[in-house]
Amino acid sequence: QSVLTQPPSASGTPGQRVTISCSGSSSNIGSNTVNWYQQLPGTAPKLLIYSNNQRPSGVPDRFSGSKSGTSASLAISGLQSEDEADYYCAAWDDSLNGLYVFGTGTKVTVL
Amino acid sequence: EVQLVESGGGLVQPGGSLRLSCAASGFTFSSYSMNWVRQAPGKGLEWVSYISSSSSTIYYADSVKGRFTISRDNAKNSLYLQMNSLRDEDTAVYYCAREVEYCSSTSCYHYGMDVWGQGTTVTVSS
Repeated sequence: QSVLTQPPSASGTPGQRVTISCSGSSSNIGSNTVNWYQQLPGTAPKLLIYSNNQRPSGVPDRFSGSKSGTSASLAISGLQSEDEADYYCAAWDDSLNGLYVFGTGTKVTVL
Repeated sequence: EVQLVESGGGLVQPGGSLRLSCAASGFTFSSYSMNWVRQAPGKGLEWVSYISSSSSTIYYADSVKGRFTISRDNAKNSLYLQMNSLRDEDTAVYYCAREVEYCSSTSCYHYGMDVWGQGTTVTVSS
């Protein structure tokens, strides 16, 4: 059972800005950095954002991440059709002996 | 090319066992910690297990603790997941994923799973 809560869906038209929230607690997001993963239909997940707001090489700068307290967010600016995918936040959790938790996932639809 | 390739999935009856493998290539496998992550049909991602580069640190999700065993063979550039006492709810696509981290003498700093395999499907059903 996921302890990071995301909205199940988000949508926008091409060119719009879409924001996805991720709510956690003091033992996960409040204590550790947040990563974001993108999963295109039928494919393996891909690391999109690490350490709250860092983009791996090759990830377009229209993707940005932020964190405040026990919440984090992913923003997609200039939405494109190829951004239609599932997005997951994730973080280590200090409440138990080693536990990595994923968010519930958000399906982004490009209208 | 940096690559992870899983194998060993299949159909197994409840209570049965299966061993998954993950073959790594294109990078120094022995320098990286590794994870197993699974995804049940139509569901989200669930972290399963973590093993450090030297196998000195191992973690499991509560849902598999006592039933699954993660291991690695750095000489063979391979990661494994031994799954025993399988249940219907273990049905999923299982991914291996490389962990990016920096560990000092006191703490480890994690930077996400940056390389993923294509996944292998495990179906538990009678």
